[in-house]
Amino acid sequence: SQQGEEDPQALSIQEGENATMNCSYKTSINNLQWYRQNSGRGLVHLILIRSNEREKHSGRLRVTLDTSKKSSSLLITASRAADTASYFCATITGGGNKLTFGTGTQLKVEL
Amino acid sequence: GAVVSQHPSWVICKSGTSVKIECRSLDFQATTMFWYRQFPKQSLMLMATSNEGSKATYEQGVEKDKFLINHASLTLSTLTVTSAHPEDSSFYICSARWADTGELFFGEGSRLTVL
Repeated sequence: SQQGEEDPQALSIQEGENATMNCSYKTSINNLQWYRQNSGRGLVHLILIRSNEREKHSGRLRVTLDTSKKSSSLLITASRAADTASYFCATITGGGNKLTFGTGTQLKVEL
Repeated sequence: GAVVSQHPSWVICKSGTSVKIECRSLDFQATTMFWYRQFPKQSLMLMATSNEGSKATYEQGVEKDKFLINHASLTLSTLTVTSAHPEDSSFYICSARWADTGELFFGEGSRLTVL
């Protein structure tokens, strides 16, 4: 089962624009993570935000977390064509052992 | 960074045959490995959790006899899809938890096509 639902399911923007993806989850968490997946490839870990953090930055990435709303957002600033990929949020469930993924957002950045 | 290798990266087989996929942690010991399945344009669904030297724990709805998982060492887990059918065609991804730090690293995935 999916822990997180993401929206939008698909997002198409022009290079240079910002891309925002949202994730909502169901249960209490210790942290929330964002991953990127290029088509037909494995996953790359982007960033982790702990439950006591509200915002975190890494390069062009900005993640926010609102535990009261059980939601998180991933902002990619000044997007590039190379950012085209699927992005997933993920949380640890099952007593701290299992990583469960959201439904994902397919981002397409056009030149 | 730590590397997880999956092999084969793609495989095509006939219906009724069995296919084995390997997941290796190349430069670290993994106490726990996870197997995921991903259909096109969908998310990753956890199939099972395997711990070295013990039986795998399967998620609800995943057939144990269909998807055999063996975690024989701290660097190798295998997933065998037995008597594969076209509906088993999917992208299978493993991840390994580094024993020292608890971090998770993902393999590049294995695409299975059953004819």
